[in-house]
Amino acid sequence: EPEVTQTPSHQVTQMGQEVILRCVPISNHLYFYWYRQILGQKVEFLVSFYNNEISEKSEIFDDQFSVERPDGSNFTLKIRSTKLEDSAMYFCASRGTGLEQYFGPGTRLTVT
Amino acid sequence: AQSVTQLDSQVPVFEEAPVELRCNYSSSVSVYLFWYVQYPNQGLQLLLKYLSGSTLVKGINGFEAEFNKSQTSFHLRKPSVHISDTAEYFCAVISPNSGGSNYKLTFGKGTLLTVNP
Repeated sequence: EPEVTQTPSHQVTQMGQEVILRCVPISNHLYFYWYRQILGQKVEFLVSFYNNEISEKSEIFDDQFSVERPDGSNFTLKIRSTKLEDSAMYFCASRGTGLEQYFGPGTRLTVT
Repeated sequence: AQSVTQLDSQVPVFEEAPVELRCNYSSSVSVYLFWYVQYPNQGLQLLLKYLSGSTLVKGINGFEAEFNKSQTSFHLRKPSVHISDTAEYFCAVISPNSGGSNYKLTFGKGTLLTVNP
């Protein structure tokens, strides 16, 4: 069964450093999403991506964040200068023509 | 804007007992509703969804949920739980984006179901 994969599973970085979180969505899916979950809080929407451009972004998704689909398979989330409050679990999701979103296992980002 | 409330942060039950996890949503427009499950150290897995039609929907692992528009609820139920059902359960809602087909999910805070022997 096809699934969404994410790498790395855990990333530790120092404040101010750039990180790139990688996702491989399900191959025939068209819509891609990033969500995050700060420990003990809700899963929150960050950004959606369709047809090689951002279709919607939340207030959290400021100029420090960017997304890219550099080739036909990868979907990346970049944080240019990490802050302590960026520590969270980051989930990638994708969907096809239906409404169901399929999630990856997440990347736990720890900013020290 | 829509919001989702999961009234119980933790629900402990004994094995083979029935369980209901509560979810209420707030939205001024039609919604699509979902339940996701997160097992320890894993991602979010879709349990079931309500898009239209019958208000009682059945999902994987013996779970079902009932959409109640008048009470704006979508409670999750299982008649007899197993130890393996121990996980975090998230209710989520989609309201169609007026600008297109974005369909972002808005999640509740989650309910930790712990099934004890």
